[in-house]
Amino acid sequence: QQKVQQSPESLIVPEGAMTSLNCTFSDSASQYFAWYRQHSGKAPKALMSIFSNGEKEEGRFTIHLNKASLHFSLHIRDSQPSDSALYLCAENTGYQNFYFGKGTSLTVIP
Amino acid sequence: GALVYQYPRRTICKSGTSMRMECQAVGFQATSVAWYRQSPQKTFELIALSTVNSAIKYEQNFTQEKFPISHPNLSFSSMTVLNAYLEDRGLYLCGARDRQGNSDYTFGSGTRLLVI
Repeated sequence: QQKVQQSPESLIVPEGAMTSLNCTFSDSASQYFAWYRQHSGKAPKALMSIFSNGEKEEGRFTIHLNKASLHFSLHIRDSQPSDSALYLCAENTGYQNFYFGKGTSLTVIP
Repeated sequence: GALVYQYPRRTICKSGTSMRMECQAVGFQATSVAWYRQSPQKTFELIALSTVNSAIKYEQNFTQEKFPISHPNLSFSSMTVLNAYLEDRGLYLCGARDRQGNSDYTFGSGTRLLVI
C-alpha cells in the first residue's frame, strides 16, 4: 500500500492560473514533509519543506501542512509554463525513511 | 553546492544477468543514501536506506539478495540488480543527505535500466 497518496495524477492548467496539488500521508508520527519537482529527464529537486503544522510561502509557491487531517498541499500562484513538471510529495517517517507519492504531472499551457 | 552523480546513465542487460550502478556525492558527506526505483506503474518505490555505521534497511518488497548495496564511505554507494528481469526495469535513483534526521535529499539523475 502506498504510504503517501497524491492527487490528482495529472493536471493541465492555463498560464496564470492557481494550481493546487494534494498529498495525504498515513504516518501521524512523520516529522518532515517536502515537495520535490522533477523535470523530464532530470533529477528530482527539493522545492519546499516543512516540519510543523501551518503554511510556508516562497515566491509563488505555498505549502500547507495539517497533521491532524494527514494532509499536505502545494499551491502555485500565477502558474508558468516552466512550472510544468512532475511534482512529488514526500514524508520522513519516524524511522527516517523518506517515502514519496506517485506524483502529479503538471502541464501549464501558454 | 551539493551534487550527486550516478552512472551509468542508462544500461541494457539481458534477462537473468546482473547490473551494478554507482552513486557519487560531491560537496557534502553522504551520511545517508537512499535508493529508489521510479517506474510508470509504481513511481518512486523506496528500495533501501543506507546510513554509514548502521545496517542497511530494505523495504518490504526488496531484499539484499536481489539488490545488494555497498556504502563504504561518505561519498560513494553502489547497488547491484542481480538476476534482472523485465519487472526490474525502471529509473534507479540515488538520493543522499548529509545527516540523519529531517533534511532534504539531493538526487542524482538516475540510472535507467532496460532488461531485454
